This record gives sequence, C-alpha cells and structure tokens, in this order.
Amino acid sequence: GESVGLHLPTLSVQEGDNSIINCAYSNSASDYFIWYKQESGKGPQFIIDIRSNMDKRQGQRVTVLLNKTVKHLSLQIAATQPGDSAVYFCAENTDGNKLVFGAGTILRVKS
Amino acid sequence: DAGITQSPRHKVTETGTPVTLRCHQTENHRYMYWYRQDPGHGLRLIHYSYGVKDTDKGEVSDGYSVSRSKTEDFLLTLESATSSQTSVYFCAISLAGEGTDTQYFGPGTRLTVL
Repeated sequence: GESVGLHLPTLSVQEGDNSIINCAYSNSASDYFIWYKQESGKGPQFIIDIRSNMDKRQGQRVTVLLNKTVKHLSLQIAATQPGDSAVYFCAENTDGNKLVFGAGTILRVKS
Repeated sequence: DAGITQSPRHKVTETGTPVTLRCHQTENHRYMYWYRQDPGHGLRLIHYSYGVKDTDKGEVSDGYSVSRSKTEDFLLTLESATSSQTSVYFCAISLAGEGTDTQYFGPGTRLTVL
C-alpha cells in the first residue's frame, strides 16, 4: 500500500485469517525486494526477500509474490496472529546497495 | 539485531546545538547506512558508507555529515540541529558482498530538537 499524506493504509483482519499486504514499487530496474515488519518503538525487522528472477518465495507462514509486469509486490501471512500486528514496509533495491522504502501498511489483528 | 547498537537511544536538544549519533556493529560488515523515519515518509536514506572513510550522500543529506574512521562505527552529526531534524534515526548494515543485499536495522534513536 502507498500512503496518502500522513495516513498509512490499514488492514484489519481476524485472528486466524490470512492477510495480504500489497506494495507498488517504482523502478522497473529494481532487482531485489524485501519485506520488513516494524513494531512500535523498534527498528524494522527483516521478514522475507525475493530477487527479480523469481515470482514467489515462501517462508514460515509468509509468502512474497512479485509481479514485474505491473510492478507489484505482495506479502501473504497465513493464519494471522496477534503478534503479527505491526507496520509492514516493502523495499526495493534500485541503485547498487541502496534501498527505497514504501511508506508502510498497518496490520491490525483482531482477537 | 545483527549486532547493531545505537547511542543514545533518546535525546532532546535545542535548536542550533551540535548532535552526534553513534552506530556500532560487531560483525565487520562493510556497508552501513543512516536513515530517518518520519510519519508518512517511511524510511529515507541520509548517508551511507561502503568502507572506512568511504561515504556518500543519500536522499536527504542536507544538514547532516557522517564519519567512519573504523569499520565498526558510523557516526551521524547534525552540525546545528533544527526542529525539522526531529525524527527517529535508524542505522543499518548490509550484507552486500556477503551473498545477499539484505539490510538489518538497529533499534533507533529518537531525537527531539526544541
């Protein structure tokens, strides 16, 4: 999700449901993408990454999908838990070893 | 946390004063970065370093300088702090050249400029 002004997009899901967080990236030349999770008062935490030569990559309870045609990245979280509540950022590697970050999406998990 | 510490964790200072934030890593990574995080802007790159004494500007470098005299330390200096530099500052290291380009972040420093 892209942000509008100071308001981040928010996704609210019921505990146990699957979550899908979306991200539109800007540079068609980007070759590496990362998803981060950030809890309040903490630094961003690496979740999963994917290179541009892949369409899908799976981790533990998380899957990242990459659609280069429309420059879209998504993060799927299976069986969402209260501990998954956080802000999620996508990042793209556009220029050497520098990352450009999206503004983030808030995930709220309802018990 | 990839062995990254930041100090101080919180600081309140006045406009016009100099401020230095320190990032320390214990694992000898070559690449280090300073970001700032503000509501609605995500993380923006201030400066980065690709080795001792090798640094370059990022997207929002005006008003900031950096130094890296040792592999383990990357310092961010605000020569004369302004209220617009109130932010949360994150240091990161990259595993570039070590098999992946993943960046890992420190815990952050919350800076308030009055």
